[in-house]
Amino acid sequence: DQQVKQNSPSLSVQEGRISILNCDYTNSMFDYFLWYKKYPAEGPTFLISISSIKDKNEDGRFTVFLNKSAKHLSLHIVPSQPGDSAVYFCAAKTDSWGKLQFGAGTQVVVTP
Amino acid sequence: EPEVTQTPSHQVTQMGQEVILRCVPISNHLYFYWYRQILGQKVEFLVSFYNNEISEKSEIFDDQFSVERPDGSNFTLKIRSTKLEDSAMYFCASSESGTVSTTGELFFGEGSRLTVL
Repeated sequence: DQQVKQNSPSLSVQEGRISILNCDYTNSMFDYFLWYKKYPAEGPTFLISISSIKDKNEDGRFTVFLNKSAKHLSLHIVPSQPGDSAVYFCAAKTDSWGKLQFGAGTQVVVTP
Repeated sequence: EPEVTQTPSHQVTQMGQEVILRCVPISNHLYFYWYRQILGQKVEFLVSFYNNEISEKSEIFDDQFSVERPDGSNFTLKIRSTKLEDSAMYFCASSESGTVSTTGELFFGEGSRLTVL
């Protein structure tokens, strides 16, 4: 059941540059999209979200863009910092309580 | 900062044994969830729980699984007779609201690693 797809398993970026993480989905009933960040041996932590009625949401260094017609969203991190090195999960929900569909994740490595 | 805590951090068990994973959600949260992540795979929804009953469960959450909130603070996941394929990281999560609204995201615990031999 691949309703949320992250096709890039890994991304390497230099410190100070922009990281762009991509996510595609198939279910047009999704009404909310979230990005989570996960360090090893820790649970996912919420980063940023976007409602399906918006096309952009920004929070500090993190911006999420939603293209509903393409069923695509992206997370931009600028500037990237070494502490951003983690696995980033895209997730989406319909109106089900807390039932998030996760993508497979993208491992981001920020190099000095 | 309030957090979701889970115990044990790692449990090793023999196939066929019963396992109970424990979680203490954030104190003012009303909605509780279990997710799991098999090594190398996606994080998968198992079950949501509200007002002392299951709100929704996935196909994974079969009769071998059960959840309860025995004492108003703990939230437990029981696997009655473990199988090899139950080996995974199990994440408990809680949220203040049930709709995951503009800021009402799920807060996850650090996970309990279950290894079934």
